[in-house]
Amino acid sequence: DTAVSQTPKYLVTQMGNDKSIKCEQNLGHDTMYWYKQDSKKFLKIMFSYNNKELIINETVPNRFSPKSPDKAHLNLHINSLELGDSAVYFCASSRADSTDTQYFGPGTRLTVL
Amino acid sequence: GQQLNQSPQSMFIQEGEDVSMNCTSSSIFNTWLWYKQDPGEGPVLLIALYKAGELTSNGRLTAQFGITRKDSFLNISASIPSDVGIYFCAGHYAGGTSYGKLTFGQGTILTVHP
Repeated sequence: DTAVSQTPKYLVTQMGNDKSIKCEQNLGHDTMYWYKQDSKKFLKIMFSYNNKELIINETVPNRFSPKSPDKAHLNLHINSLELGDSAVYFCASSRADSTDTQYFGPGTRLTVL
Repeated sequence: GQQLNQSPQSMFIQEGEDVSMNCTSSSIFNTWLWYKQDPGEGPVLLIALYKAGELTSNGRLTAQFGITRKDSFLNISASIPSDVGIYFCAGHYAGGTSYGKLTFGQGTILTVHP
């Protein structure tokens, strides 16, 4: 009965490749997020979606394109991967009327070689 | 933009000791939150604070929302080995383009020696 799940857990790829990370939540939430955690463990928001509509785009390069097919899913597609994209990416979700209370997935560790 | 300064960066303590960590912000928040992250896992919400001056407990954890709305602290009493992990403070400002945006502190790495 996982609340927020992500796949894959680990992703190792070459520079220049395109990859996707998938996120699903079964909490019935309307709002979903992507965060990036760097090697120093700093967490920073990238995107938020409310009911499939983009709300926040925190000056992320346009190589990153989130897609929300329905309000339970928010996928992250990354084009032309760069070394600096190596990080742990976390998906999170919340109720639309309680965006301060966010629940995080287990993370996807992306390594770009 | 808003920045959070969390301290200390790391703590090494003996089992049974109490722990205190805090966060200060350059601007106000409507909500303060404390998360814990275990290795290889995502952050888990421990305590949420919604009102300036609020003091809230969750078992051995106690957190307070500073009256200036620019700071918060977290105390852990009688630490045990499973308290090991990284603790993050986070602030949320419900307004304008900040909808849903959590701003995180740098984290406090807690190590508990048995």
